[in-house]
Amino acid sequence: AQTVTQSQPEMSVQEAETVTLSCTYDTSESDYYLFWYKQPPSRQMILVIRQEAYKQQNATENRFSVNFQKAAKSFSLKISDSQLGDAAMYFCAYRSAFQRAQKLVFGQGTRLTINP
Amino acid sequence: NAGVTQTPKFRILKIGQSMTLQCTQDMNHNYMYWYRQDPGMGLKLIYYSVGAGITDKGEVPNGYNVSRSTTEDFPLRLELAAPSQTSVYFCASSLPGNRKNTEAFFGQGTRLTVV
Repeated sequence: AQTVTQSQPEMSVQEAETVTLSCTYDTSESDYYLFWYKQPPSRQMILVIRQEAYKQQNATENRFSVNFQKAAKSFSLKISDSQLGDAAMYFCAYRSAFQRAQKLVFGQGTRLTINP
Repeated sequence: NAGVTQTPKFRILKIGQSMTLQCTQDMNHNYMYWYRQDPGMGLKLIYYSVGAGITDKGEVPNGYNVSRSTTEDFPLRLELAAPSQTSVYFCASSLPGNRKNTEAFFGQGTRLTVV
């Protein structure tokens, strides 16, 4: 079975600075997808960024980028120019590419605080 | 476009009571899912469905039942509520996984407390 581990329960960063959230995963599969989800106090799960394992290029979405290290099974999220609205729980998630059902395996989450 | 809608948003149950969490989606997605999120933890899959009339267990199915009579609706039933079922429940839906459609859409969650 696949597992996802987020070893940082909480992180904080000054507004406008850069922060990196860590995620490691364990799988024996060769093809899969990785995701970062943001969960603000409203509870809504918001997809931040996705990475396809067969693509070596790291995904980027505006101020959000990932460092995907397939051999190390590491998938970190970098948030540049942090904004107050970035404060939330962040979840790393894994999905197998071999199943049509998009069953996600989530990490425990990292609570990100932005200090003004 | 409403997306995935869950009702109710909050509920308090007494031990042994039963209830149904409702979930409906208007995106014509074949795949639907129920997750639970315990305090300070990530989401865990309870049940999922690949289409009307077809359901399957996820990681933590004990104490729950589901049905899927239509494409739009995927209710989650708790028959005998227990304190261990205190959690936030999320419904999600998606198209079949492929390289062009790799996103699941989530509802806003139902916070359930069993006392």
